[in-house]
Amino acid sequence: QVQLQESGPGLVKPSQTLSLTCTVSGGSITSGDYYWTWIRQQPGKGLEWIGYIYYSGSTYYNPSLTSRVTMSLDKSKNQFSLSLSSVTAADTAVYYCSRSPVCGPDCYTKWFDPWGQGTLVTVSS
Amino acid sequence: EIVLTQSPGTLSLSPGERATLSCRASQSVSNNLAWYQQKPGQAPRLLIYGASSRATGTPARFSCSGSGTDFTLTISRLEPEDFAVYYCQHYGRSHATFGQGTQVDIK
Repeated sequence: QVQLQESGPGLVKPSQTLSLTCTVSGGSITSGDYYWTWIRQQPGKGLEWIGYIYYSGSTYYNPSLTSRVTMSLDKSKNQFSLSLSSVTAADTAVYYCSRSPVCGPDCYTKWFDPWGQGTLVTVSS
Repeated sequence: EIVLTQSPGTLSLSPGERATLSCRASQSVSNNLAWYQQKPGQAPRLLIYGASSRATGTPARFSCSGSGTDFTLTISRLEPEDFAVYYCQHYGRSHATFGQGTQVDIK
């Protein structure tokens, strides 16, 4: 049974870069069957899909965040990572990693399952 | 971007009652809709995908109907563990978006 666990700093200063890592256990990120995904939930608000990275290294990001987001893989550690640059208070959120089954042409993503427990990142000076 | 609107915002019911939650899409999503349950301090958990297929571990009291723009999640008889927030999510030909959630409270 695959499990995901987020890790990273809980506090980031405005204008700096938020960096998080997701460690996957019980499954391999080199599986071609899934997109490795980041989702966030701002306090008291709903859920926002950030984007995904595939085992090949290809990525797709939410258009609203694409200018600030970078995702990467570390296959040796079975981890994938998120970087979000130039953060502001609006980026304060619980960040979740998850996976989504691969879908065919003209399809960006499917459902998300399972999810990590989430990590709260606060942007404040 | 496809906007999902969930209603009602809050549903106050008693254990054993039937819950009916709505999710409306701003344009057709075919059957590319999923539902999640989120309890306080926990990550969302997938309940339903493909508009009507229960995920592994989802009890049979959860069912979903609809296609196109209008979807309904029904909990036939509420159990104490069902009181939570429920989100719908569309997927497919555009990037995923979520509804704003419906909170199911104990009356």
